Amino acid sequence: DTAVSQTPKYLVTQMGNDKSIKCEQNLGHDTMYWYKQDSKKFLKIMFSYNNKELIINETVPNRFSPKSPDKAHLNLHINSLELGDSAVYFCASSQASTGAYEQYFGPGTRLTVT
Amino acid sequence: GEDVEQSLFLSVREGDSSVINCTYTDSSSTYLYWYKQEPGAGLQLLTYIFSNMDMKQDQRLTVLLNKKDKHLSLRIADTQTGDSAIYFCAEINTGTASKLTFGTGTRLQVTL
Repeated sequence: DTAVSQTPKYLVTQMGNDKSIKCEQNLGHDTMYWYKQDSKKFLKIMFSYNNKELIINETVPNRFSPKSPDKAHLNLHINSLELGDSAVYFCASSQASTGAYEQYFGPGTRLTVT
Repeated sequence: GEDVEQSLFLSVREGDSSVINCTYTDSSSTYLYWYKQEPGAGLQLLTYIFSNMDMKQDQRLTVLLNKKDKHLSLRIADTQTGDSAIYFCAEINTGTASKLTFGTGTRLQVTL
């Protein structure tokens, strides 16, 4: 009964490779997000989708491409991985139109680029 | 732009109260939140406060908001070793498409 799930939990890959991280939420929310947490634990938003439409796109390199096949899924594809992409990536979801815009987070994907 | 600052580290003894502080710059913040992150885990939403409130209490947690000074605090009563974690404050301006801006995080260490 996991609310926001991500796969894989750990991802180790070499520079130059292409990889994807998947996210699914079963909360019935209409908005999903990707955040990046660096080695100093600083969290910053990357993307946000509302009803499958991109609404937030922070200054993220074009190598990062989110894809939302439906409201319950938001995947992150990364091309030509670089050492600086090593971080923990968190997916989150919320219901934008009601309540206090609370965002619920997945367990994170630790990406290590060697 | 938005900026949210927290002190990096706090150490308290088990049974004492912990107070974690946060300052923010966006005067248009609508909601402010506290999240907890345990080692190797995701972020757990602890509580939130609407910007027109001064205080919110939820069991051992008390949130105080001073909107004039743009200062937010989280008080944890009777701190337990299980409270050891990193605590993040975050703010949202609902006019900016529900983008959460996080603070730098405060690592709480609870000692016996």
